[in-house]
Amino acid sequence: GQQVMQIPQYQHVQEGEDFTTYCNSSTTLSNIQWYKQRPGGHPVFLIQLVKSGEVKKQKRLTFQFGEAKKNSSLHITATQTTDVGTYFCAAPFNAGGTSYGKLTFGQGTILTVHP
Amino acid sequence: GAGVSQSPSNKVTEKGKDVELRCDPISGHTALYWYRQSLGQGLEFLIYFQGNSAPDKSGLPSDRFSAERTGGSVSTLTIQRTQQEDSAVYLCASSLGRILYSNQPQHFGDGTRLSIL
Repeated sequence: GQQVMQIPQYQHVQEGEDFTTYCNSSTTLSNIQWYKQRPGGHPVFLIQLVKSGEVKKQKRLTFQFGEAKKNSSLHITATQTTDVGTYFCAAPFNAGGTSYGKLTFGQGTILTVHP
Repeated sequence: GAGVSQSPSNKVTEKGKDVELRCDPISGHTALYWYRQSLGQGLEFLIYFQGNSAPDKSGLPSDRFSAERTGGSVSTLTIQRTQQEDSAVYLCASSLGRILYSNQPQHFGDGTRLSIL
């Protein structure tokens, strides 16, 4: 079925280092969302990207949507221990030309930060 | 309440028993989703409701799984004759649904941790 591939699966960094996770799709996406799940918690919505080439920033987090709207990235500058968790991308896939609200989630990138 | 509420938070049951999981979405959210997450894994889509209708049941693993939603609000996910492989965290999410060409963010509950002995 249609899916978004997310890499890497795991990332271990020292506190202060940067971190990036990538999502790729074989089909053009209408939009892409990013979620964060803290250990033991539930996914929490971070942001949605809609426009081709869109770049959005939230403090140390930078989100990008590719020009072809087939890939996206999340970059964290100078990681902190509070950044620990799993980061998911999610995108809608249409079925038979009918659009509806189902999102398909990437497998997630588990980020650990060593103090 | 302000967020998505799921109950029970934990459920331990014996293999072969039926279980019912409940989700109370955010008031006004027309879309409701059920996912399953095994330890350290991603989110596995189970079923999606728009109002009381389920346009997409494609993720239900077997005919032992069923779900319903009444009054456009509360949803229950029922697993019959549970198996050990059903052990996972079952997450419910709700959203305002699809508006024009922009999907709305999904708001997740804390999940039900299901353990089958």
